[in-house]
Amino acid sequence: EVQVLESGGGLVQPGGSLRLSCAASGFTFNTYAMSWVRQAPGKGLEWVSSISPSGVSSYYADSVKGRFTISRDNSKNTLDLQMNRLRGEDTAVYYCARGRAGTTGTLDNWGQGTLVTVSS
Amino acid sequence: EIVLTQSPATLSLSPGERATLSCGASQSVNSFLAWYQQKPGQAPRLLIYDASNRATGIPARFSGSGSGTDFTLTISSLEPEDFAVYYCQHRSNWPLTFGGGTRVEVK
Repeated sequence: EVQVLESGGGLVQPGGSLRLSCAASGFTFNTYAMSWVRQAPGKGLEWVSSISPSGVSSYYADSVKGRFTISRDNSKNTLDLQMNRLRGEDTAVYYCARGRAGTTGTLDNWGQGTLVTVSS
Repeated sequence: EIVLTQSPATLSLSPGERATLSCGASQSVNSFLAWYQQKPGQAPRLLIYDASNRATGIPARFSGSGSGTDFTLTISSLEPEDFAVYYCQHRSNWPLTFGGGTRVEVK
């Protein structure tokens, strides 16, 4: 069974940093692109970042470019999101999602999400 | 950035009725459009990819159509478990974007 499980969320002060992780199982991790998508409380979905199966290519939303870094460890089947210089508007549930085979942008399996709250 | 506009924002229907949801793109996304369902407190679930292909395990009452800038998600006969929020999303280029969502609620 395909599973992705996020961890690392919590309360952080504005300007602070947080690192999210996503543990994947049930599929050949190094052959799938992976993404992070977030959802602010009561709002819609916002794509954050994606990374290619090898990790060579990564993509970011303008709202997080230069502050967030996506990475993966294919030996450990894990996906990370390093979030720096956090702002109140980064408060959201962050979902890890797998790209459908052969694509990056169609997200066919999602984790349950981890909540990040940026507040003083 | 491609903007996706979903309409209506809310659709009030009864079980057994047909639901028609629309998604318009600010420029052509070819057929690179997906639909997701999200229920309260749950993660989104992929329903349709590349405009008209049902994802694994999705019932046949869900269908997608369209290409270019105009897309439709149709639920032929609403089941109680179909009342949820639906999002469209393109993968035509970067950045990926989602529509604002359509809430299908019980009338």
